[in-house]
Amino acid sequence: AQKVTQAQTEISVVEKEDVTLDCVYETRDTTYYLFWYKQPPSGELVFLIRRNSFDEQNEISGRYSWNFQKSTSSFNFTITASQVVDSAVYFCALSEANYGGSQGNLIFGKGTKLSVKP
Amino acid sequence: KAGVTQTPRYLIKTRGQQVTLSCSPISGHRSVSWYQQTPGQGLQFLFEYFSETQRNKGNFPGRFSGRQFSNSRSEMNVSTLELGDSALYLCASSFLQASNEQFFGPGTRLTVL
Repeated sequence: AQKVTQAQTEISVVEKEDVTLDCVYETRDTTYYLFWYKQPPSGELVFLIRRNSFDEQNEISGRYSWNFQKSTSSFNFTITASQVVDSAVYFCALSEANYGGSQGNLIFGKGTKLSVKP
Repeated sequence: KAGVTQTPRYLIKTRGQQVTLSCSPISGHRSVSWYQQTPGQGLQFLFEYFSETQRNKGNFPGRFSGRQFSNSRSEMNVSTLELGDSALYLCASSFLQASNEQFFGPGTRLTVL
């Protein structure tokens, strides 16, 4: 069965610290997609990144970076030089490949609440 | 380009009533998915519609149903409301199927008294 585990329930850091959010996934599919979403207090989920299972290249976008390792089934997210505006709940999600036209529902982890204090 | 819109944003109902939530996807997007978010269960998939057809369904009772119209707008309905149905209901749209990025709306906060 598919499963996403975000072991860190809450993390608190001081502004400018680096922080890594862990995500471990389980799937029997060889083709799958991994996502990270940010949910600020307003409630709307904001898409951050999508990765397919064949692309293990790490990605950097500004202060954000992602480390995808199939060998450990992990897709970790690092925020460098954190800012107060980064405070939110971050969700990692997994989706199956497209079979029969379905987009594949997202399986979400429980989320990690990040608090960045000034 | 306008984002995903959901109406109403807040709703209060009593047990036994029914409720209909609406979602308008991003223009050009044909796939709409619905998710329920609660503190206890987290984010759970309800169903997905593509070109007016239900493509995928999560593990929810038959009281939860949905539909999609020809303009890709979608509605979900919950009948015989229970206290446990209190949640944030999120709608997401994507351009095609195949696990494209799903863009979420602000959600409808449903409270069942």
